[in-house]
Amino acid sequence: DTVLTQSPALAVSPGERVSISCRASEGVNSYMHWYQQKPGQQPKLLIYKASNLASGVPARFSGSGSGTDFTLTIDPVEADDTATYFCQQSWNDPYTFGAGTKLELK
Amino acid sequence: EVQLQESGPGLVKPSQSLSLTCSVTGYSITSNYWGWIRKFPGNKMEWMGYISYSGSTSYNPSLKSRISITRDTSKNQFFLQLNSVTTEDTATYYCARFWRRYYFDYWGQGVMVTVSS
Repeated sequence: DTVLTQSPALAVSPGERVSISCRASEGVNSYMHWYQQKPGQQPKLLIYKASNLASGVPARFSGSGSGTDFTLTIDPVEADDTATYFCQQSWNDPYTFGAGTKLELK
Repeated sequence: EVQLQESGPGLVKPSQSLSLTCSVTGYSITSNYWGWIRKFPGNKMEWMGYISYSGSTSYNPSLKSRISITRDTSKNQFFLQLNSVTTEDTATYYCARFWRRYYFDYWGQGVMVTVSS
């Protein structure tokens, strides 16, 4: 299975820029997607196919990368962005998720 | 707007079967793909399987011998059955639209299922 590795946690101040990384154990082309999940809620799609902003998602969110290294960037970070962020790949079967990066605001 | 809603028992005994329903409104399940995903305590998420617009299925090999996904197109619902559950199947179960088998763009709210005697 394709393992997706994410940093467990990050802490930033509102107004700053934050980059959340996801590294795949094998190439996934550009088929990497990002989700935001807040406690008690379902995941919400933010970025699809590495760099495409999902409908209704603020332009503060952006994605980049291809192959094995991908980044979700939030600039500037707002208080409401406190959440866990997951990456997911759909190039290799079975489809897999990262363990999530918990973003906390200082 | 596309909406999904999971339903089913929140408590299942070990060795029994877990059965969940996903009711979809705003979009026909005879289009696109429809998946089940679960999130374990501690945050790990696992894709379980999907059913396609034509009724074909694909499952995560880790579950292949225990899982079945079916559908009722007349009710616009699809279903998850997981057999021989253990405490390790305790998780929150989500259904979602799996757009072209790329990404999950609409999710249900999730149902927490505990496996315990």
